[in-house]
Amino acid sequence: IAGITQAPTSQILAAGRRMTLRCTQDMRHNAMYWYRQDLGLGLRLIHYSNTAGTTGKGEVPDGYSVSRANTDDFPLTLASAVPSQTSVYFCASTPLAGSYNEQFFGPGTRLTVL
Amino acid sequence: GQNIDQPTEMTATEGAIVQINCTYQTSGFNGLFWYQQHAGEAPTFLSYNVLDGLEEKGRFSSFLSRSKGYSYLLLKELQMKDSASYLCAVRDSNYQLIWGAGTKLIIKP
Repeated sequence: IAGITQAPTSQILAAGRRMTLRCTQDMRHNAMYWYRQDLGLGLRLIHYSNTAGTTGKGEVPDGYSVSRANTDDFPLTLASAVPSQTSVYFCASTPLAGSYNEQFFGPGTRLTVL
Repeated sequence: GQNIDQPTEMTATEGAIVQINCTYQTSGFNGLFWYQQHAGEAPTFLSYNVLDGLEEKGRFSSFLSRSKGYSYLLLKELQMKDSASYLCAVRDSNYQLIWGAGTKLIIKP
């Protein structure tokens, strides 16, 4: 693989179910991010990780959790999905948090919660 | 609060020039990014400004005025493939990106 991959591509989920969105990068980037994108709104940061073993909360963290056990993987978990979590989710990475480098984005996961 | 403003939608003609404006109010400033996003796809990086002035990259240029909290993206010799959303993002004092809602650019033949 080259770059960032996300799985699944899309998912329809019943409210109350648990769901993990997967994100893997092979660029050895230290910093990784999860965003959600909703119509009419800018990308909003859910959680981030500046380096393996550390995570932080973004603008809209409620209802979501993350882990960063190694450099490559940054899964996002919805413990008990609600309809307001219907969105497109993007994972992104950059070589170093706070550097001038741009963020590289995965292809996204389209999640519908019914 | 933090705020990034961009026009919601713009229309331009193939071969012409278009300027997409972005104004921002953020807690601190550590650079401004422009991204392109085609429908159903991920955002891709276009340009980065941290100092005042114009950055040129082929058909695309980006300008920044930090004192005015203002940037624009200039697209020249428009092509049909330039039809996309253009996202402005500012890196704040915590080095996190604050994103505008994006400008949908429609190119007509």
